[in-house]
Amino acid sequence: AQSVAQPEDQVKVAEGNPLTVKCTYSVSGNPYLFWYVQYPNRGLQFLLKYITGDNLVKGSYGFEAEFNKSQTSFHLKKPSALVSDSALYFCAVRDIENQGGKLIFGQGTELSVKP
Amino acid sequence: EADIYQTPRYLVIGTGKKITLECSQTMGHDKMYWYQQDPGMELHLIHYSYGVNSTEKGDLSSESTVSRIRTEHFPLTLESARPSHTSQYLCASSEYDAGTYNEQFFGPGTRLTVL
Repeated sequence: AQSVAQPEDQVKVAEGNPLTVKCTYSVSGNPYLFWYVQYPNRGLQFLLKYITGDNLVKGSYGFEAEFNKSQTSFHLKKPSALVSDSALYFCAVRDIENQGGKLIFGQGTELSVKP
Repeated sequence: EADIYQTPRYLVIGTGKKITLECSQTMGHDKMYWYQQDPGMELHLIHYSYGVNSTEKGDLSSESTVSRIRTEHFPLTLESARPSHTSQYLCASSEYDAGTYNEQFFGPGTRLTVL
């Protein structure tokens, strides 16, 4: 069965510092990975995805993610955090085995950026 | 402007009432989804659709039903609401993608409270 895990419920960083939100996956075959962000009382917004190619994927709002096949990870990163980055972040893997390619989401990580 | 809309944004109702949560998208996407997001933040797929007249149940058993009579419209109905239905409901859509892996676009969500 395919799955994705976000080992940290919460990540706290100071503004201006680099941030990392961790994600690991378990799939059979090639992984198709996504990151979404959710601001309070809002839906999810797409940040970036990895399908194939370069292991470093650049996305919206200055975020990037590094795909590491040997470690089965897809960590989200940003070189310099902003207070406005504070939100809930979800990693997801595309389920290519079942149900029309639905997304399987991780548990979510709450990012808190302090001034 | 292409977008995905959900109404109402917030709803408080009594037990036993019939309700319909509306979801519309103006992007011409074939695939649409309903997710339930519990207080622990995890998202669970409850329904999805490949296109007009196509509806399928998702991972999470749900007493709700959906219909897809028009491409742009994917309403979710609860015939008799119960307190256990209290949750956030998120609608999403994506392009049909045989062989490609398109991201899903999410609506702002409906927060339902059943008293």
